[in-house]
Amino acid sequence: GAGVSQSPSNKVTEKGKDVELRCDPISGHTALYWYRQSLGQGLEFLIYFQGNSAPDKSGLPSDRFSAERTGGSVSTLTIQRTQQEDSAVYLCASSPGQESYGYTFGSGTRLTVV
Amino acid sequence: KNQVEQSPQSLIILEGKNCTLQCNYTVSPFSNLRWYKQDTGRGPVSLTIMTFSENTKSNGRYTATLDADTKQSSLHITASQLSDSASYICVPLTYGGSQGNLIFGKGTKLSVKP
Repeated sequence: GAGVSQSPSNKVTEKGKDVELRCDPISGHTALYWYRQSLGQGLEFLIYFQGNSAPDKSGLPSDRFSAERTGGSVSTLTIQRTQQEDSAVYLCASSPGQESYGYTFGSGTRLTVV
Repeated sequence: KNQVEQSPQSLIILEGKNCTLQCNYTVSPFSNLRWYKQDTGRGPVSLTIMTFSENTKSNGRYTATLDADTKQSSLHITASQLSDSASYICVPLTYGGSQGNLIFGKGTKLSVKP
């Protein structure tokens, strides 16, 4: 597609439920990143996929968070047993490769856990 | 430890006025530095990308400066418009490390009033 697409744009869920957030990167982009942005805070790195390499999961805050990227394209971020502190905007970005200038963000998914 | 500090945290100016946003960073090794604009409810959008050899770079009414020796950057906005109201994020890029190499500041929230 023309840009990075994320869905849903907004998600309200009850505490304890699982949620899945989706990211469609720009076609051909080999690198994909997930970030979390809490209210008034900077972007917090979560996970990074680069081609067929093992993902860098060093930013995932707990084992309730996981992500996968199928076929080197679409990525899904899953949060299990959601907690209120998980409420944030989850941003996805993609780039043609590592250290690339073509780094593009999606509009994010606003997750609210009630 | 890689860190980015931006100042001021927030700023209110009148339409038509100029302003300058500051960024100090401790990122090593340093590759390049980017300024992003993030409108409310949207993902960040790149304004400028500067390598260590560039001192100044303009994009319309936006002019970024970089002093790689003192590890400081600034973003100057000329003749501000209401549409400039957004958060401006300084992002130095490292290489060879994890986290996809981008280190995000918390941003300066700019409000332009009529």
